[in-house]
Amino acid sequence: AIQMTQSPSSLSASAGDRVIISCRASQDIRSDLGWYQQKPGKAPKLLIYGASTLLTGVPSRFSGSGSGTDFTLTISSLQPEDFATYYCLQDYSYPRTFGPGTKVNIK
Amino acid sequence: EMQLVESGGGLVQPGGSLRLSCRTSGFDFSNFWMTWVRQSPGKGLEWVANIKQDGSVIHYVDSVEGRFAISRDNGKSSLYLQMNSLRAEDTAVYYCARDQDVYNSQTDIWYDVNDIWGQGTIVTVSS
Repeated sequence: AIQMTQSPSSLSASAGDRVIISCRASQDIRSDLGWYQQKPGKAPKLLIYGASTLLTGVPSRFSGSGSGTDFTLTISSLQPEDFATYYCLQDYSYPRTFGPGTKVNIK
Repeated sequence: EMQLVESGGGLVQPGGSLRLSCRTSGFDFSNFWMTWVRQSPGKGLEWVANIKQDGSVIHYVDSVEGRFAISRDNGKSSLYLQMNSLRAEDTAVYYCARDQDVYNSQTDIWYDVNDIWGQGTIVTVSS
């Protein structure tokens, strides 16, 4: 199975900050990667697919980049509602695998 | 409104069985692959299994292969997960999710995304 890693595991930031989350795959997954946001007690929510395509309705402060094995999720100006845990998920091969998550905390 | 509602969770002893259900509405269930994802308490997400529209293709994560069985009833717009030989490490919130294939013309690639999720059902395996 493809292993996914994320860094950092957690971060503290203030509203208005630029936040960058990294995700790395153990092998080339082209651009077959999605980013999901999860808030406590809630189901995950899809933000980005194909490494860089924003789902309709997702604020433009979110962006994704990368291909192959290295990917990033950027939040250009953190908003109060963005404090959550973010997961990457590869859809290149089975079994699908999630990264361990990055928790974005309020500083 | 598109909805997925899981049910069937509960407390079960190690070695026991449980059947989860996911009732869907607001979209044509028979046109979509469907997925189960779980989350252990305080932990990250784990993809568990998915199933093709007609049930002819199924994939599992290694940790549940041979113990869990995913199935569907298109006439009832429902997805199921039969869980046997349950272990303490199967304790988790179980989510069902719709698989959506989306095409990116720039990369000429189809992507598989989980675009709609249920609220989850809690499974606790303990004596």
